[in-house]
Amino acid sequence: DSGVTQTPKHLITATGQRVTLRCSPRSGDLSVYWYQQSLDQGLQFLIQYYNGEERAKGNILERFSAQQFPDLHSELNLSSLELGDSALYFCASSATWATHEAFFGQGTRLTVV
Amino acid sequence: GESVGLHLPTLSVQEGDNSIINCAYSNSASDYFIWYKQESGKGPQFIIDIRSNMDKRQGQRVTVLLNKTVKHLSLQIAATQPGDSAVYFCAETSTPYSGGGADGLTFGKGTHLIIQP
Repeated sequence: DSGVTQTPKHLITATGQRVTLRCSPRSGDLSVYWYQQSLDQGLQFLIQYYNGEERAKGNILERFSAQQFPDLHSELNLSSLELGDSALYFCASSATWATHEAFFGQGTRLTVV
Repeated sequence: GESVGLHLPTLSVQEGDNSIINCAYSNSASDYFIWYKQESGKGPQFIIDIRSNMDKRQGQRVTVLLNKTVKHLSLQIAATQPGDSAVYFCAETSTPYSGGGADGLTFGKGTHLIIQP
């Protein structure tokens, strides 16, 4: 168990809808990272937050947004969902803003139908 | 953009044999490399890492080799066991030590390691 908690584990929704994925980092970790894992694109970095502020952006679509709250949990919001957004979404956390020290959660499997 | 790639999508080995998983990277600015193991239904799990100022690092039953000249990374697993069955990813990043650290990890496509009894 990495100590990173993601909810829900599974999510099925229709195209055009909006969903929110939640991540609770390991106790004491200030950074949260979001990654998307799909069959065709593999694991891709989406966005990083450090102590409530956005620190780095990767391949995140404009339809997607994230935030980190004062209690350091994070939410990834996916809107206007398309079939191609079906994927595993992972959250990782680290104590600092150093990416290489991150630990991953179990992921949320999103299926868009 | 530059990316990390793996040579083989699937590797099948006999239980007890050694496994070698290879990875090529192209971003010369990367100074930190990590191997992750991902079992079905789980998130990537850290196995071992290596900094670019090293060429070899050993852990428990695993060894990572880094060849900066040809931008090649390998993971060696000794005495492969059924529990080693998983997809293995290499990842690269630039750490704060080289002025980076805020771009996330760049992952390779993954190699599926299958253990034959």
